Amino acid sequence: GEDVEQSLFLSVREGDSSVINCTYTDSSSTYLYWYKQEPGAGLQLLTYIFSNMDMKQDQRLTVLLNKKDKHLSLRIADTQTGDSAIYFCAEGQGNTPLVFGKGTRLSVIA
Amino acid sequence: GAVVSQHPSRVICKSGTSVKIECRSLDFQATTMFWYRQFPKQSLMLMATSNEGSKATYEQGVEKDKFLINHASLTLSTLTVTSAHPEDSSFYICSAEAPPDTGELFFGEGSRLTVL
Repeated sequence: GEDVEQSLFLSVREGDSSVINCTYTDSSSTYLYWYKQEPGAGLQLLTYIFSNMDMKQDQRLTVLLNKKDKHLSLRIADTQTGDSAIYFCAEGQGNTPLVFGKGTRLSVIA
Repeated sequence: GAVVSQHPSRVICKSGTSVKIECRSLDFQATTMFWYRQFPKQSLMLMATSNEGSKATYEQGVEKDKFLINHASLTLSTLTVTSAHPEDSSFYICSAEAPPDTGELFFGEGSRLTVL
């Protein structure tokens, strides 16, 4: 079945850039998503990218997609302590349920 | 953006009782909603797809008699955990697509169930 992999932990200093990486196996994925989960809270959609795009930028967030390698990354510029959370990569085909990675726990050191 | 609301956000119940969790789409109609379960320090696992006006589609390994799903209207899906046991303690999250066929899924806040 489909699989989404991401590293479990990332630690960065406040003000630096964070890059969270994700790989997926389903070549028919249409949409690739990044969700943020703060402690005790539900999921918040950060951004998503269509599979025919290479890059999407939204304020401090930059998503890069390498469809050939099935690699997705999320870059957070000027990382702040409020960015500390778990970030989930997910893939889907539109009106189908998503397949999630296990999440990357981002710790921001002041 | 679209809002999906879950209720209750936290519930504690005794073993053997049943618990109902509601998932509402507040400003849009959702013919399909998804129910996920999240174990501590693990990713979300899809439990079932809830279809308005028809039976839910359950993922392999999910007991449909244990986790009853009812999608009676275009804005409400309910998940009932019947005869709950401590191993059912988990974080349950629903999601719905808005607008339809956009691929943009919005998630509820989640409901944390603790079974004593």
